[in-house]
Amino acid sequence: QSVLTQPPSVSGAPGQRVTISCTGSSSNLGAGNDVHWYQHLPGTAPRLLIYANTNRPSGVPDRFSGSKSGTSASLAITGLQPEDETDYYCQSYDSSLRGFVFGIGTKVNVL
Amino acid sequence: EVQVLESGGDLVQPGGSLRLSCIASGFAFSGNAMVWVRQAPGKGLEWVSVMTAGGTTFYADSVKGRFTISRDNSKNTLYLQMNSLRADDSAVYYCAKTKGTNLRYYFDYWGQGTLVTVSS
Repeated sequence: QSVLTQPPSVSGAPGQRVTISCTGSSSNLGAGNDVHWYQHLPGTAPRLLIYANTNRPSGVPDRFSGSKSGTSASLAITGLQPEDETDYYCQSYDSSLRGFVFGIGTKVNVL
Repeated sequence: EVQVLESGGDLVQPGGSLRLSCIASGFAFSGNAMVWVRQAPGKGLEWVSVMTAGGTTFYADSVKGRFTISRDNSKNTLYLQMNSLRADDSAVYYCAKTKGTNLRYYFDYWGQGTLVTVSS
């Protein structure tokens, strides 16, 4: 059971838009702590996609966007491509646990 | 180019010990907090430990008292000493560089991971 809640999977056809939700609580997202998103193909190095809620590192396509409001956040992928089929994780800091927390991960399936 | 490279993963018996290493390059290692994150088979990412640039350490409850994080800035190397290993410590262990302030870190560069298997 993760501190941050994500759906186990989302699906979309190539070219469509999908969103992944990340729900926290008053000790993490609701405490004003930022949310960050990672793309991860198991067995490889995770890749930072979005940092501080809405910011894309250099090299990340603008098809990926993030938002946050209160205790919830979301990652949107527009113009879905076959190479987007992998796992996505949200992450934040939990002030009560005094540590970092991840969501359980969401598998994006490209139909 | 920023790079982090983990090593030291192995097969170890329950109750045994192991030390992981992570050598970093391409950035000012001594000025950055560094973290260990793991992924057990079929599971998601789990934060394990962090060491700030100033040497302060924090641990996940699941490893507190058994794991010790340390760093040697002269060698640009981060370590994770793992004692009293259990089967549920089996995972790929990732080292990552952090960015951010006041512990509100995110992890901007990751290694490829090193596999730890705890089994008799």
